[in-house]
Amino acid sequence: QVQLQESGPGLVKPSQTLSLTCTVSGGAISSGSYYWSWIRQPAGKGLEWIGRFYSSGSTNYSPSLKSRVTISVDTSKNQFSLKLSSVTAADTAVYYCARGSGWSWFDPWGQGTLVTVSS
Amino acid sequence: QSVLTQPPSASGTPGQRVTISCSGSSSNIGGNYVYWYQQVPGTAPRLLIYRNNQRPSGVPDHFSGSKSGTSASLAISGLRSDDEADYYCAVWDDSLSVVVFGGGTKLTVL
Repeated sequence: QVQLQESGPGLVKPSQTLSLTCTVSGGAISSGSYYWSWIRQPAGKGLEWIGRFYSSGSTNYSPSLKSRVTISVDTSKNQFSLKLSSVTAADTAVYYCARGSGWSWFDPWGQGTLVTVSS
Repeated sequence: QSVLTQPPSASGTPGQRVTISCSGSSSNIGGNYVYWYQQVPGTAPRLLIYRNNQRPSGVPDHFSGSKSGTSASLAISGLRSDDEADYYCAVWDDSLSVVVFGGGTKLTVL
């Protein structure tokens, strides 16, 4: 079965770029028609969709984050990545990666990784 | 403030039936599939219901979903202590071009 695991720095300074990687195991990221998404959750708050990469090569980003977000895929490493530029304390959250079979269909999820933005 | 409205909390005793609502609009629930996620504190969300009322394999059958117009509901019958968690609805919004999540409902089993 497919499993996802996030990795990356747990601490990022304000104004810098947050970079996370999601490693997919148990299946090729290039196989099937799937969406590969990033979702985040500030402590004690709800879920916020960041964006996704579709197997066709297209991407969709949340309009509120679009100017700062890039999601890319490295099929050779079976990974996909998130870059969020010009971060502020408001970007502090647990970041999840997930595979999707439909617009709002996220399954499975990674375990999540906490990213704190602080100097 | 979320585009999708959920009650912040719900509760019930073991064995009871509890319903969690998710209210939206024609640009989201009214025209797209609704999904439900369960999140036990400290863990990642888990898909509970897809395409309004379908249960993935492994999800107990005491969970059920429904949709009518611009609202959706998650019903939990035969409430169990391990159902205590946060529940989120999610749907694509055609106007905003974004996946929107409800604010979440914290379910307490008394």
